[in-house]
Amino acid sequence: QKEVEQDPGPLSVPEGAIVSLNCTYSNSAFQYFMWYRQYSRKGPELLMYTYSSGNKEDGRFTAQVDKSSKYISLFIRDSQPSDSATYLCAMSETSYDKVIFGPGTSLSVIP
Amino acid sequence: GAVVSQHPSRVICKSGTSVKIECRSLDFQATTMFWYRQFPKQSLMLMATSNEGSKATYEQGVEKDKFLINHASLTLSTLTVTSAHPEDSSFYICSAPGQVYEQYFGPGTRLTVT
Repeated sequence: QKEVEQDPGPLSVPEGAIVSLNCTYSNSAFQYFMWYRQYSRKGPELLMYTYSSGNKEDGRFTAQVDKSSKYISLFIRDSQPSDSATYLCAMSETSYDKVIFGPGTSLSVIP
Repeated sequence: GAVVSQHPSRVICKSGTSVKIECRSLDFQATTMFWYRQFPKQSLMLMATSNEGSKATYEQGVEKDKFLINHASLTLSTLTVTSAHPEDSSFYICSAPGQVYEQYFGPGTRLTVT
């Protein structure tokens, strides 16, 4: 079993749709949970980070962490064509520790 | 925000040669930096943890004699791919943890070995 699992997609949605991206993990020691967005041939950029369980909202993005189920989600509301990218979940045990990435989900938002 | 730079952004080299990639933290000090590799349509895979003033820690399956890491100062880590082969062609990305939690990633270096 991989340490972090994520549906690779590709996921294609119409503009304005709500997008749900999910990851599961096996290491119960993970405490920090992140979502990164990566455009083709670019480095990843941090979208959201959450410590432990709970929800966090930032504009059109909402991150949810359920440590009891080892399951994290990213919701994108009112999706835009500019949201088309690969979304990587990531997690680590401490704030200074190595980050373990999920395989990424490719998202296309169709105008 | 904190910035991490990488140089070069793109390099093409011949098989058998060595290539050095630099990772710099521009406005903060980083005692630890991480090196990742990303093959096309795949995720970032951690290669090694670079520690200032001490030996790097390599992930399982990563050849330490092939991927030489030197963290000579608090703002610079280098990755040298020795005797590069076409299968080493990849996107190499470094990161450094900031003061408050966030991993700052460099823009990446695309290596092509012909």
